[in-house]
Amino acid sequence: AQSVTQLDSQVPVFEEAPVELRCNYSSSVSVYLFWYVQYPNQGLQLLLKYLSGSTLVESINGFEAEFNKSQTSFHLRKPSVHISDTAEYFCAVSKAAGNKLTFGGGTRVLVKP
Amino acid sequence: EAGVAQSPRYKIIEKRQSVAFWCNPISGHATLYWYQQILGQGPKLLIQFQNNGVVDDSQLPKDRFSAERLKGVDSTLKIQPAKLEDSAVYLCASSGTSRDTQYFGPGTRLTVL
Repeated sequence: AQSVTQLDSQVPVFEEAPVELRCNYSSSVSVYLFWYVQYPNQGLQLLLKYLSGSTLVESINGFEAEFNKSQTSFHLRKPSVHISDTAEYFCAVSKAAGNKLTFGGGTRVLVKP
Repeated sequence: EAGVAQSPRYKIIEKRQSVAFWCNPISGHATLYWYQQILGQGPKLLIQFQNNGVVDDSQLPKDRFSAERLKGVDSTLKIQPAKLEDSAVYLCASSGTSRDTQYFGPGTRLTVL
């Protein structure tokens, strides 16, 4: 069985400051890793994913995440946040051979002016 | 390209009543998922369909929950009878194959009183 732990339930951050959201997973097999974002009153949207290859993956809106196999982590970072980044962020894993997603509990990011 | 559609968006019922949710996946997507997202938690997979066959329903409470995907397109999720603990957002997602990215609908928020 797989599990995902998001260590911070809430992260307040000032606009233009950096942010890091931590994600650790456990699995006995190779996994795919994902970050999803959920804006208020909206559905989940894929932010970025790691399937294979380069361990550093980037999104189109400035987020990046690095897969660290030895530490079983997939932390999400952004060097400078905007008010519009206020949302809940979910880390998820799936088996390489299937696609059932196991989600973490989420991290709520509140960007303050 | 139209996204995943769900209806209704909101539903309030009394405990022991029945309720049904509808999902229309992205056109051509063979794989369809239903997730339950309880407030403050990450989504949890209830059932996964590949075309009109069930791939995984290990976490579906089968004494009260049922789901079907007739003709391999639309899907309905039913709860009968509902309990207070069923209050949650029910998310539908679809993917082209079981190995592709999942796209989520806006969800149905169920409140059981």
